[in-house]
Amino acid sequence: DTEVTQTPKHLVMGMTNKKSLKCEQHMGHRAMYWYKQKAKKPPELMFVYSYEKLSINESVPSRFSPECPNSSLLNLHLHALQPEDSALYLCASSQWTGGEPQHFGDGTRLSIL
Amino acid sequence: GQSLEQPSEVTAVEGAIVQINCTYQTSGFYGLSWYQQHDGGAPTFLSYNGLDGLEETGRFSSFLSRSDSYGYLLLQELQMKDSASYFCAPPHSGSARQLTFGSGTQLTVLP
Repeated sequence: DTEVTQTPKHLVMGMTNKKSLKCEQHMGHRAMYWYKQKAKKPPELMFVYSYEKLSINESVPSRFSPECPNSSLLNLHLHALQPEDSALYLCASSQWTGGEPQHFGDGTRLSIL
Repeated sequence: GQSLEQPSEVTAVEGAIVQINCTYQTSGFYGLSWYQQHDGGAPTFLSYNGLDGLEETGRFSSFLSRSDSYGYLLLQELQMKDSASYFCAPPHSGSARQLTFGSGTQLTVLP
């Protein structure tokens, strides 16, 4: 059983849709992460929240918008995505940034039509 | 720049020992973790070296030499279930600009 819960597990959406990915952890971790992973590639970091303060990877397009409503929850809002955004989206948490290990959720497999 | 290089593929037979290397160029480096990921699954933590030397966790051991910018993961008594991708990763600084995972090594264990 994973301690980081992601919903939904699968998502198919059109390029004009708006959807959100959700992530939740109850381990008291103060660092949370969003990663994007394409097949046969390592996870690529998109966003980091450390004590609910955001750090952005500038290479991530603005059609991805993160939100951290509280220290246990992390959302990723999606709007006007492109087919190349189809990937596995992973959420992770750690006790603090620099603290190991990172605990990963099972991910959301996103397909853009 | 930053880089974390690993061999792309390693193949070994059941019961064997295999070593997966990680060489890195990254600033502010102070440790190295290893993660395992099966096809379709999420990465799971295997081992962390915060200091130089060897850390042993069951069949898995990990080594770090900060002066040589080098680490490795050693897997002993290989089992079929060890077939997976393995990633080295430095601890996270809190910046999303940081390189977070090595290029990854696909391990195939043959019967």
